[in-house]
Amino acid sequence: KQEVTQIPAALSVPEGENLVLNCSFTDSAIYNLQWFRQDPGKGLTSLLLIQSSQREQTSGRLNASLDKSSGRSTLYIAASQPGDSATYLCAVRHGGTASKLTFGTGTRLQVTL
Amino acid sequence: ETGVTQTPRHLVMGMTNKKSLKCEQHLGHNAMYWYKQSAKKPLELMFVYSLEERVENNSVPSRFSPECPNSSHLFLHLHTLQPEDSALYLCASSLGRGGSTDTQYFGPGTRLTVL
Repeated sequence: KQEVTQIPAALSVPEGENLVLNCSFTDSAIYNLQWFRQDPGKGLTSLLLIQSSQREQTSGRLNASLDKSSGRSTLYIAASQPGDSATYLCAVRHGGTASKLTFGTGTRLQVTL
Repeated sequence: ETGVTQTPRHLVMGMTNKKSLKCEQHLGHNAMYWYKQSAKKPLELMFVYSLEERVENNSVPSRFSPECPNSSHLFLHLHTLQPEDSALYLCASSLGRGGSTDTQYFGPGTRLTVL
């Protein structure tokens, strides 16, 4: 059974800092990996999707890497801003027509002024 | 209206009540999902529908009953729930054609409290 772990569970950084969020998974036979953002009491917004054949994806100040063989992914956020404060969730997808995702418990990020 | 919508946004019900959660997607997707998000636990996949056919039932108790009348609408019928069923219930949809870039789009969720 796939298990996804995210470290740290919570993180507080001052504005402007670069930071790294970590995600690990136990079964490397994944189809892809996604990073989501969730604001309090809200749904999830997809940030980046890395296919199993890819090593990284970039979108603006966000960069996600994937090392499938070691079961790890990182989300790098450059020059953090207070608006980045949210919970970041990592999810791995297994094969199939309908994409079945297994989620981690998330990292709650607070960016302070 | 675009994206994935869910109603109601908040629901308080007693253990003997019957209620339904509704999800609607305006994205032309073929797959729809129900997730449960409890405090300090990962999102748990409950049900998956692909082209209106249930393809996944993740050992969910029978007091939760899904219904997918067409590819745009998904319901979750609730009856005789327990207090531990209190959670945020999230609906999602995806193109559902098995592509490696198939991304799920989430609704805002329904915050359910069972008294």
